[in-house]
This record gives sequence, C-alpha cells and structure tokens, in this order.
Amino acid sequence: GAVVSQHPSWVICKSGTSVKIECRSLDFQATTMFWYRQFPKQSLMLMATSNEGSKATYEQGVEKDKFLINHASLTLSTLTVTSAHPEDSSFYICSARDWTSGSYEQYFGPGTRLTVT
Amino acid sequence: QKEVEQDPGPLSVPEGAIVSLNCTYSNSAFQYFMWYRQYSRKGPELLMYTYSSGNKEDGRFTAQVDKSSKYISLFIRDSQPSDSATYLCAPLEGAQKLVFGQGTRLTINP
Repeated sequence: GAVVSQHPSWVICKSGTSVKIECRSLDFQATTMFWYRQFPKQSLMLMATSNEGSKATYEQGVEKDKFLINHASLTLSTLTVTSAHPEDSSFYICSARDWTSGSYEQYFGPGTRLTVT
Repeated sequence: QKEVEQDPGPLSVPEGAIVSLNCTYSNSAFQYFMWYRQYSRKGPELLMYTYSSGNKEDGRFTAQVDKSSKYISLFIRDSQPSDSATYLCAPLEGAQKLVFGQGTRLTINP
C-alpha cells in the first residue's frame, strides 16, 4: 500500500527557534499533500493544502507566515514552524493523495510531535 | 455547531461485543464518508469509505450512511482487543478536504 513518512518523529526546540518537518510519499507521486495539527484528545484540524509547484492554501485562522509550507517535488512537502512558541506544541500530521489511483483516499504519515520549551 | 459531531467516549466493551460508532453532520453536500482508525501517537489509517447513502461491509466492519438524517455509523463485529483505538469519521468536502469528527476512544476488554 501507499506509504507516507514524516521526519522527525519528535522534536523539542526552544521558544523563538524554527523547526522544519518533512513529509514524503515513498511509493507514489502526490501532487497534493495536506498538513494537519492535532492537540491532545482532540481531532485533526486541517492547516493547509499543499500543491506541488504552487503556493499552499491555508485554512482560516492559520498564519501562513508562521507555518511555511513548501511542496517542491511530487514526493516531498515541508512544514516550517517559524519563531515557535509553547502554544505551537502539538502533533503535526501530513497526508498525501495518490491522484493516479482515482481514489479519494488520503494516506497519513505517522506524525511529528513538536514540543516548544 | 460543528460540521461533524462525534461522541468522544470513552467507550469500553468486552471482547466479542458488537460496537456501534456514530457521527452526525450538518453539510448536506457531503458525498463521501470516511472512517479512520488512529492508534495512540500514530497517524490515522483509513478503514473504509462509502459514497452517498447505503451500507458497505469489509470483514468485521460495516459502514452505514443515512443522508436523509445526516447520520453516519460504523459497526464492528466480534470486537478484538486490537481494535482498541480512536475512531474518526471524516466526510469529504469537495474533492479533497476531510472534515474530521472529534473521534471516539474505544477500548475492547479481553
């Protein structure tokens, strides 16, 4: 089946620093990738939709200058949390859709746990 | 009102029981309805999805959609301890935006 990986799986950073999270589709090409955030015991909230070669589309209330998304290739999207603060501590999950399959299925990565101290 | 409402539980049942998980939604435009399973500290995995109203069965799992009442259900037969996880319903908005419910935490007790 389709596999999506994320790196790192967890990261601790100091307040004010930036953190980059990678999302890769390992065995399929993903023209579209999605970034979600999940707080403890809450559901996934879509942050942005990332299209290869174009600017990401952010959901209402998500600061695009704080959460920088780059989708430079068909298998890689990155999320950079700039000037991170403790309230940005969360579980960040990406997903990707295999458009060639004709399916609406999104394949999720294992997530990245970010802790900002 | 949230677009998708789901009882967060927790729900605890004995092994072998039939489990019923439910969601309601408000957007009548939803056409595809996904069910995801998420283990602790992991990404969600797709269990199954249905299109429009009706039933779909896959092994021990059955998904039901009633668009007239905007009600989504997932049934698990012969539940196993390995089914213990959080179950998320997620209608699809348009062609690609998943709108997740809060998730129901399920525990199957041996």
